Amino acid sequence: GAVVSQHPSWVICKSGTSVKIECRSLDFQATTMFWYRQFPKQSLMLMATSNEGSKATYEQGVEKDKFLINHASLTLSTLTVTSAHPEDSSFYICSASGQGQGVVNTIYFGEGSWLTVV
Amino acid sequence: GEDVEQSLFLSVREGDSSVINCTYTDSSSTYLYWYKQEPGAGLQLLTYIFSNMDMKQDQRLTVLLNKKDKHLSLRIADTQTGDSAIYFCAESRRRDDKIIFGKGTRLHILP
Repeated sequence: GAVVSQHPSWVICKSGTSVKIECRSLDFQATTMFWYRQFPKQSLMLMATSNEGSKATYEQGVEKDKFLINHASLTLSTLTVTSAHPEDSSFYICSASGQGQGVVNTIYFGEGSWLTVV
Repeated sequence: GEDVEQSLFLSVREGDSSVINCTYTDSSSTYLYWYKQEPGAGLQLLTYIFSNMDMKQDQRLTVLLNKKDKHLSLRIADTQTGDSAIYFCAESRRRDDKIIFGKGTRLHILP
């Protein structure tokens, strides 16, 4: 079946630095990717929707200058947390939908990335 | 607006049936999902139901949908210790659209 891969699975970074998380669709072209974050013991909150080749659409309350999303190709979207602070520590998970055999009109989730800012 | 509500905790004895309930507000919801998340892990799609269906059964899982009341339930028959997890109710307007999640129900299995 279709696979969405995230990298890294775990990352620890120092406060004030930036960290990039990648979301790749391995066997289909992801025309749309979604980024979510999940605080401990809480639900998944949609951060933004990105369509290949265009600017991401951010949900209300999400700082677009802090969470930079790039969807430059049909198989890769990146989320960069800029000037990370401890309160950005969270589980970030992406999902993708797109075109390809067996994947039309379906969402696939990545495994998620744990970010800890110290 | 879009809102999905579900109870936060459920305790069930091993071997009994678990029933997790969910309500949603978006009348345009077309797809309704149940996801499972085990500790420290990502999301696993358990099942989904299209809004024109009343029921869907898949092995130990039974999903019931009352579209009039915007109520969705997940029944797990013969609950096992491996079913211990957080179960998220979710909805979307299209199969390839953003998914709105509830807060999740933590299912605890009693011996």
